Amino acid sequence: NAGVMQNPRHLVRRRGQEARLRCSPMKGHSHVYWYRQLPEEGLKFMVYLQKENIIDESGMPKERFSAEFPKEGPSILRIQQVVRGDSAAYFCASSPQRQGQPQHFGDGTRLSIL
Amino acid sequence: GIQVEQSPPDLILQEGANSTLRCNFSDSVNNLQWFHQNPWGQLINLFYIPSGTKQNGRLSATTVATERYSLLYISSSQTTDSGVYFCAGRDSGGSNYKLTFGKGTLLTVNP
Repeated sequence: NAGVMQNPRHLVRRRGQEARLRCSPMKGHSHVYWYRQLPEEGLKFMVYLQKENIIDESGMPKERFSAEFPKEGPSILRIQQVVRGDSAAYFCASSPQRQGQPQHFGDGTRLSIL
Repeated sequence: GIQVEQSPPDLILQEGANSTLRCNFSDSVNNLQWFHQNPWGQLINLFYIPSGTKQNGRLSATTVATERYSLLYISSSQTTDSGVYFCAGRDSGGSNYKLTFGKGTLLTVNP
């Protein structure tokens, strides 16, 4: 069974560019969560999505960040006009249902802003 | 939201030693999970343990939900156990789908 697949593993962008991070959930999982880990910190919730729906984006910065989980294809976390403070590890997790099941995490995407 | 406190923040062991890591929650939680983040940054699922005790090789975990804490035991530690250990739980009320993480315990196992 393939786990949660994230790509790319490492992404380098210059200030002002766009970053797109992809996440394919585990087979049979329809719930996707994105978390961000800033240097020397724990992981913080960003957004929770189901197919074609954003359920909770309370952890997302108000500007420049967006997420989607289309009917077909992976979930995408998009960061526009990146700034140095966006440098972090971004983790995606998936689960088969909202509660009663663990979340399974991908290996993360390490975003570096030059 | 809930607060998650982990102790100790740092731990240095000699290979072969045993250790106990603790996780306290400010309120009732569901779906408690322990993770190991290895030196390459990968987040490895160790245990899904809302209550009770589980064992997996040299690792075991116990959650006492009524007293809002969980313990992770590492026996006969090895250098490959080094890394950061996180616990995380979901608030049993309200937004009970997002995990709230502690700040982690940085474990260093020396040969």
